[in-house]
Amino acid sequence: KNQVEQSPQSLIILEGKNCTLQCNYTVSPFSNLRWYKQDTGRGPVSLTIMTFSENTKSNGRYTATLDADTKQSSLHITASQLSDSASYICVVSGAGSYQLTFGKGTKLSVIP
Amino acid sequence: NAGVTQTPKFQVLKTGQSMTLQCAQDMNHNSMYWYRQDPGMGLRLIYYSASEGTTDKGEVPNGYNVSRLNKREFSLRLESAAPSQTSVYFCAAGGGPYEQYFGPGTRLTVT
Repeated sequence: KNQVEQSPQSLIILEGKNCTLQCNYTVSPFSNLRWYKQDTGRGPVSLTIMTFSENTKSNGRYTATLDADTKQSSLHITASQLSDSASYICVVSGAGSYQLTFGKGTKLSVIP
Repeated sequence: NAGVTQTPKFQVLKTGQSMTLQCAQDMNHNSMYWYRQDPGMGLRLIYYSASEGTTDKGEVPNGYNVSRLNKREFSLRLESAAPSQTSVYFCAAGGGPYEQYFGPGTRLTVT
């Protein structure tokens, strides 16, 4: 069964600090992996998308990495801001499938 | 551009009542999706429509029906609501199976 596991479940960091969120997946055949940010009470918004041939993708202070061999991805947030407080969801697409596999998310809290 | 819009934003139903959740997109995308999100779980696909005129079941279709009214609109119907259907429902639209843009969600409570 296709699965996406994220860690940690939750994380609290001080404003200005960096953090890294992890994602492991077992989706096969793999097509692409994306990270979404979901603010409380809102729909998910895409941050990055990577295919199997891409190792790194950046979007401002967000940098995602992908190791297709070990089926692991990470999302690194640099110089965190209060507005980064949200859930971050890892989503994996199987090749040719309309059905995405979603992780349960990491809830990040950035405190002053 | 509004992107993906959903109505209503909030709804409370009694067990056995029916209702339709509406979704519309102005991005001219072919595919549209309905998800539910429950605490402690990832989003789960209820139904999707790869293109106008087609619909397919997702992971958790029981208790739901959908209609792809035209390219812009995709509705989700609960014929006889149950407390287990209390959830946040998200509609999404995409240009294919890989890109998906989500609406703001509908919070549904069934008592």
